[in-house]
Amino acid sequence: DAMVIQNPRYQVTQFGKPVTLSCSQTLNHNVMYWYQQKSSQAPKLLFHYYDKDFNNEADTPDNFQSRRPNTSFCFLDIRSPGLGDAAMYLCATSRGDRGLNQPQHFGDGTRLSIL
Amino acid sequence: DAKTTQPTSMDCAEGRAANLPCNHSTISGNEYVYWYRQIHSQGPQYIIHGLKNNETNEMASLIITEDRKSSTLILPHATLRDTAVYYCIVRVRTGNQFYFGTGTSLTVIP
Repeated sequence: DAMVIQNPRYQVTQFGKPVTLSCSQTLNHNVMYWYQQKSSQAPKLLFHYYDKDFNNEADTPDNFQSRRPNTSFCFLDIRSPGLGDAAMYLCATSRGDRGLNQPQHFGDGTRLSIL
Repeated sequence: DAKTTQPTSMDCAEGRAANLPCNHSTISGNEYVYWYRQIHSQGPQYIIHGLKNNETNEMASLIITEDRKSSTLILPHATLRDTAVYYCIVRVRTGNQFYFGTGTSLTVIP
């Protein structure tokens, strides 16, 4: 049973046209993450939510935004996609109770192509 | 966050133990070592983690040196389905961020 669900698996958008990727989870985890993974590279953390608190990585471009309307859902918005934003986008969750050091659970990603 | 160094690639014969090393010489006392793997076109999968003691679960064993500057992930009987990229990550004990290193591409050979 899928616990972190990313839809769609493949997304195509046009250069400069805003796009939203979605992630949902059935684990009731309070932390949700977004990663960008380009071909043959490791996943790169963009930002994460601890409950409703948004934590941006210092080198994440302003073009990338996120929303978390409730515990179960999190969205990645790319305001003006460029060709360099073509990548796999991975969503992950974890229990964020401090000190418990719980692992992350990943979805299978959305592969974004830019035309 | 402490950085990790892993070999770029490794081969292992099917049925043999796969030993994947990771160096984390700048690890601090409150940082855990995590291992994930990523099979092509899938999201990373959690394998195991530890602080200073060796750990074992149904998937693998984690051996951490006494000085904690390096660790080894052991897959006791590698199968073809273990072919994947294996990532070693160090994580602050009270932090929420996971930063992936470059990983080791393991190929299990029939």
